[in-house]
Formats: sequence, C-alpha cells, structure tokens
Amino acid sequence: GESVGLHLPTLSVQEGDNSIINCAYSNSASDYFIWYKQESGKGPQFIIDIRSNMDKRQGQRVTVLLNKTVKHLSLQIAATQPGDSAVYFCAEAGSIKAAGNKLTFGGGTRVLVKP
Amino acid sequence: EAGVVQSPRYKIIEKKQPVAFWCNPISGHNTLYWYLQNLGQGPELLIRYENEEAVDDSQLPKDRFSAERLKGVDSTLKIQPAELGDSAVYLCASSLTGHLGETQYFGPGTRLLVL
Repeated sequence: GESVGLHLPTLSVQEGDNSIINCAYSNSASDYFIWYKQESGKGPQFIIDIRSNMDKRQGQRVTVLLNKTVKHLSLQIAATQPGDSAVYFCAEAGSIKAAGNKLTFGGGTRVLVKP
Repeated sequence: EAGVVQSPRYKIIEKKQPVAFWCNPISGHNTLYWYLQNLGQGPELLIRYENEEAVDDSQLPKDRFSAERLKGVDSTLKIQPAELGDSAVYLCASSLTGHLGETQYFGPGTRLLVL
C-alpha cells in the first residue's frame, strides 16, 4: 500500500550546522505534505507544509523541498540549535479526495544536536 | 489560547481491563482525530470526527475499540478489553474544518502500558 518513509533513522549534527532530513513517499497523487517535530513526551508539532504545486517553501530557519519527479521531500534546518533535537516526521495527505485531511505519516528521523 | 487537552497523561492497566482516554480539542475546531502511535513510528489514524459524526473509522478495531463525540466537542476513546499489544501513545488532534491542507494540532497524548 501507499507509504511515506524516511531514509535515515538517526541524524547527528553539530550545533550551528545545517540539518537535512529526507523523506520518500510512494503515492504520486498526494497533494499536501507536512513536517512535524516531536519532542520527548509531547505530541507532534507542526513545522511547515507544502502543496504539490510548489517545489520549495521557506519558514523561519526551515525550508521544505519537494521533488515530485522522484517523490522525495526534505526538510532543511539552518543553524541547528539544541532545541531542534527531536524526532521529525513527514506526512502526506490528499491522495484520496474523499479522505479530506487524513494524514499518512512516515516512521520518523531522530535528530541529535551535539554542542 | 489552550491547545488540545488530553487526560490522563499516563495509564497502566492489566490486560483484559477496560481503559478510556479523553480529549478536548481547541475551541472552535470542528474536526477531531484520534491517532495511535507505536514506539519509534509515526501516528496512525484511528478515527476522524466532523462535529459529532465519525466520518472515517476504517482503521478503528471495532471489536475492542470504541469512540464517541456526543456533543461535537470533547471525545472519549475506549478500549475493552485491553491487550498487551495496545501499549502505545494515543494522540488526539483537532483542526478547524478538516479540509485538505489545514493544520492539525496535536495534544500531548496518553501513554498506555498494558501489563
């Protein structure tokens, strides 16, 4: 079935460096992609989203890139800080119109920021 | 503004016992979601409500799981009887209308341990 997955389960990054988290999705009909951050003991927190008619979107210190040709999504975090240590999930929606805003999540990447 | 509220935060029960989780969404949010999150994995949708109507319960194991949102505001998810494999985090989320592209806001989750 359709799935959203991540290449790397754990990413270690030096404080101040940039982080790149990757995600592959399998459903070419997906219309909406989201990145969530989940800290230990908390629920997922929305970071940034992108629609399928875009290939790049920027937020504060974060950029999401969408490559529909190879069905690849990435999250770039600039100047990574200790507070960025968390598990990051990509999610997709929209492949089934009747499903509304139903999200399908990937398995997560843990980001560890080294001081 | 208060976020999504869930209680209890933690629950330990013996197998075959019943358990219930409560969620109060963000005020004014018509759509409420219950997700199951196993360790190291992304959340999986169990049920989605639009107001008091369950519009997607296809992933809810109906032999032991039930949910209700009688007045279209807060919601309860129940498991009876609980099994060892039900140990997980149960997340509640809400969004304004449930339309595609709308941000879902998550609560902190209820961590269930079945012994």
